[in-house]
Amino acid sequence: KAGVTQTPRYLIKTRGQQVTLSCSPISGHRSVSWYQQTPGQGLQFLFEYFSETQRNKGNFPGRFSGRQFSNSRSEMNVSTLELGDSALYLCASSLVLRGGLDTQYFGPGTRLTVL
Amino acid sequence: SQQGEEDPQALSIQEGENATMNCSYKTSINNLQWYRQNSGRGLVHLILIRSNEREKHSGRLRVTLDTSKKSSSLLITASRAADTASYFCATVNGEAGGTSYGKLTFGQGTILTVHP
Repeated sequence: KAGVTQTPRYLIKTRGQQVTLSCSPISGHRSVSWYQQTPGQGLQFLFEYFSETQRNKGNFPGRFSGRQFSNSRSEMNVSTLELGDSALYLCASSLVLRGGLDTQYFGPGTRLTVL
Repeated sequence: SQQGEEDPQALSIQEGENATMNCSYKTSINNLQWYRQNSGRGLVHLILIRSNEREKHSGRLRVTLDTSKKSSSLLITASRAADTASYFCATVNGEAGGTSYGKLTFGQGTILTVHP
């Protein structure tokens, strides 16, 4: 099976702009989670979508939003970009097993640089 | 905020030696997972240990879990230069039930360098 894919892989934006990142999960996986990784804060959970509904949300401002489509593909959007949004954004998909014993499979990430 | 604290922050060893990394967490967990990351790329899942398990093996990896101390350790035996990477523990909260299952809370990670 193909792994999790993320597009684009690299992105350069300027402050105030908005950006949309895309994630295609492994075929058959219904849950997609997003994470932000920075040198200062490490890996932080943004949100999780399951069956087109946001099931979990991390502690990020409303500028960060996402959605999931009927084919489980997901997008996240960041509006009014700030310098501090520069990060590696990782998407992960999982099957959604009973009891929470899911392995999350990560994509290669999108490296966002805000100038 | 990060739940896990990992120790050490960096570890440098020679090929063939064993590497041990420790992780502590704060809340009740459903399970704990270990991931590896090479040079700022995506994370690769290594092993998952359930809250009712104490030890688990996978190839050269051994993971232990002590829920009374809220800690876990990852042992890599007979390390290789290819094991050079950052290693993260991540927990799934056990208190919120199914609503939290899609959320991993990561530690700060241990940078492992294995010299040939």
